[in-house]
Amino acid sequence: GQNIDQPTEMTATEGAIVQINCTYQTSGFNGLFWYQQHAGEAPTFLSYNVLDGLEEKGRFSSFLSRSKGYSYLLLKELQMKDSASYLCAALDSNYQLIWGAGTKLIIKP
Amino acid sequence: GAVVSQHPSWVICKSGTSVKIECRSLDFQATTMFWYRQFPKQSLMLMATSNEGSKATYEQGVEKDKFLINHASLTLSTLTVTSAHPEDSSFYICSARDPRQGREQYFGPGTRLTVT
Repeated sequence: GQNIDQPTEMTATEGAIVQINCTYQTSGFNGLFWYQQHAGEAPTFLSYNVLDGLEEKGRFSSFLSRSKGYSYLLLKELQMKDSASYLCAALDSNYQLIWGAGTKLIIKP
Repeated sequence: GAVVSQHPSWVICKSGTSVKIECRSLDFQATTMFWYRQFPKQSLMLMATSNEGSKATYEQGVEKDKFLINHASLTLSTLTVTSAHPEDSSFYICSARDPRQGREQYFGPGTRLTVT
């Protein structure tokens, strides 16, 4: 079966760095997405990786290892507004998004 | 970037009535739109994939006669919740794919449905 695993909740301190891990098992693979979702709002796109390696975009970076079925989202210089749920989603061979349950990130001052 | 709108943002209806939610791609043509449902503190659950000009593909466990989806044009898909019940109360989110932008899905702002 297809499966996405990510931690349910993480806590970090303002100004610090946090890494949110995601492992996936899918029928075929066409890339991995990270979305941010604030409470009561729709998800917003953060990143897309299809090749191995690290993609950096400002304070956020995303890493992919296809051989390990593993990705992480790295958030630097954390701000209070980064408190949100972070959703990992893999695109399978049918170009269907398989969603993780999301990681709730709590930022403390 | 691609913009997707949804209407209404929130709706309260009485049990047994029907509610229609619209999803529009504002600055691109979306051959494929997706309808999700999200209960509190849970992840997105794909309900159906809507392709312009053809019947929607429903996920297992989603009643197609209860959740009617119409994708009549390249910029509009509608979801009608028929004979709504309190357990249908949820956050309904649509997304659309812009073929020019690759595989990313652009999400609408969501519609919060409360059935009393």
